[in-house]
Amino acid sequence: GAGVSQTPSNKVTEKGKYVELRCDPISGHTALYWYRQSLGQGPEFLIYFQGTGAADDSGLPNDRFFAVRPEGSVSTLKIQRTERGDSAVYLCASSLLAGPNTGELFFGEGSRLTVL
Amino acid sequence: GENVEQHPSTLSVQEGDSAVIKCTYSDSASNYFPWYKQELGKGPQLIIDIRSNVGEKKDQRIAVTLNKTAKHFSLHITETQPEDSAVYFCAAPWKRDDKIIFGKGTRLHILP
Repeated sequence: GAGVSQTPSNKVTEKGKYVELRCDPISGHTALYWYRQSLGQGPEFLIYFQGTGAADDSGLPNDRFFAVRPEGSVSTLKIQRTERGDSAVYLCASSLLAGPNTGELFFGEGSRLTVL
Repeated sequence: GENVEQHPSTLSVQEGDSAVIKCTYSDSASNYFPWYKQELGKGPQLIIDIRSNVGEKKDQRIAVTLNKTAKHFSLHITETQPEDSAVYFCAAPWKRDDKIIFGKGTRLHILP
């Protein structure tokens, strides 16, 4: 596709369940970012990949959160034992370059997670 | 880590007037300063950006100014129109690893 694709667009789950959120970046983009956005707030950095490796995962809130990008393209954000406080919109973005030449981030429309 | 402060959190201007949103950043090594616009139910979209080798950049009705000494940059929208109503975010890289950190956003209302 032409843009960043995120699935599912909406996910409702129960407290304690496991959730996977998928991001399909723009083809050829080196860098991939995950952000979390709560209502009325800015995107909060979670993790960023350069290629297959996580360049920085310092924004992951705790060890219930994990993300992978095994082939340097599609990424999956995994949340174990979900809590009500995990409810938010999870945004994925990709950019052509990474590091010092970072430029425009192209965002998907987000996955809205609701934990009941 | 990088701290990006944005203000005001809400701004209402009459259609046709100008709007200014300001951001400050903490990492003096930051060299790239984008502004994003987010409409309801969508992801943020880049509207303008500036690199640290220039002080100002314009694109039609929008402009960004940068003061590296003071570590702040501003978004200027002139001749505002109803479609400018949205949430605007500034951002800056944390130079240690170039992750992009966002401000908390400004909700801009254009009044008829």
